Amino acid sequence: EVQLVQSGAEVKKSGESLKISCKASGYIFSNYWIGWVRQKPGKGLEWMGIIYPADSDTRYSPSFQGQITISADKSVITAYLQWTSLRPSDSGIYYCARGDQELTTFDYWGLGTLVTVSS
Amino acid sequence: SYELTQPPSVSVSPGQTASITCSGDDLGERYTSWYQQKPGQSPILLIYEDKKRPSGTPERFSGSNFGNTATLTISGTQDMDEADYYCQAWDSSLAPVFGTGTKVTVL
Repeated sequence: EVQLVQSGAEVKKSGESLKISCKASGYIFSNYWIGWVRQKPGKGLEWMGIIYPADSDTRYSPSFQGQITISADKSVITAYLQWTSLRPSDSGIYYCARGDQELTTFDYWGLGTLVTVSS
Repeated sequence: SYELTQPPSVSVSPGQTASITCSGDDLGERYTSWYQQKPGQSPILLIYEDKKRPSGTPERFSGSNFGNTATLTISGTQDMDEADYYCQAWDSSLAPVFGTGTKVTVL
């Protein structure tokens, strides 16, 4: 069974750094893209970026380029999303999702990580 | 940048048919997916490659995509179908784009 298990909720202050994780199981981690999606309270889904763990090929949404870093560690079958300096506007729920083999869709989603940043 | 537009809300009576549209330039030339999100839950894949259903998606959900509009149809809508629905396609640089989302209310 494919599962994406995300790390727990975080409460941070503006300017702090953060790294959240998405641990995969039930499939060959290296062979599927992993994407990150943000959802602010009461708002829609925003694509942030995707990574192909086999070669760490990473693509960012222009809206998030330079603000975040996406990485993956094949040895622990985990993808990461990190910030070096958080802002209150970074508050929201962050989902990881697996891209299918043809990358035509996101077929499995994690439960999300709630990030709250205070000023 | 590529944009996908959905109606903010759709209301439907139990047992009736609900149609949710997703509009974007030349959308019919791109694969479209549909996701369902219930309050407090993560999105789940309902439809991919315009009209394919993953195992687990009830047959009452169907999809189509032609011209500039993709449509998700819920036939025989049930109370449990009350949720937010998002379309998703890919722009010219193969980046995913999500629609604005539609809240379906079953009256």
